[in-house]
Amino acid sequence: NAGVTQTPKFRILKIGQSMTLQCAQDMNHNYMYWYRQDPGMGLKLIYYSVGAGITDKGEVPNGYNVSRSTTEDFPLRLELAAPSQTSVYFCASSLLHRAINEKLFFGSGTQLSVL
Amino acid sequence: AQRVTQPEKLLSVFKGAPVELKCNYSYSGSPELFWYVQYSRQRLQLLLRHISRESIKGFTADLNKGETSFHLKKPFAQEEDSAMYYCAPGEKLTFGTGTRLTIIP
Repeated sequence: NAGVTQTPKFRILKIGQSMTLQCAQDMNHNYMYWYRQDPGMGLKLIYYSVGAGITDKGEVPNGYNVSRSTTEDFPLRLELAAPSQTSVYFCASSLLHRAINEKLFFGSGTQLSVL
Repeated sequence: AQRVTQPEKLLSVFKGAPVELKCNYSYSGSPELFWYVQYSRQRLQLLLRHISRESIKGFTADLNKGETSFHLKKPFAQEEDSAMYYCAPGEKLTFGTGTRLTIIP
């Protein structure tokens, strides 16, 4: 099993450009999450999903959109990239909801720079 | 608000010395807490969780309700322990700010 797969690993965007960060998991997990990690900071939750067709905002959702059309995929879209979105993005999944003490499985991350 | 605090951003320890990574939580009740670790060029992964009362790679973490702490400890540091460590509350979808542990040979 591949686990949680994120693409691309690196990307440089110009201000105002848009892009989609891909995340896929093959563990049949219902719960998926997007986090961002700024230099020297902890992980902050952007969006999460409890199943196909259901998404909800996390701590820092502004400037991002998500969709969950299938159990496997949870793409994160940046519509108008801004320098403040320069960060490392992590996708994660869990079998049960994190809020009931469930272990998260993480992707390898996407390093995004907006110049 | 329910949150955890990791007071040390950086921690350097000599090989063979004891290690203690601090994590304090700010909420009452019986919290369930996790420690996650990220080794260089690897993805973030679960190290241990309070509910399992386990020892992983020589690390243990005891919940101290009196001090509201969940410090991660290891009696003898090894070079391969160098990594970024995150404390995380089970009930919330958040993580602490992390501590970068460097083991000095």
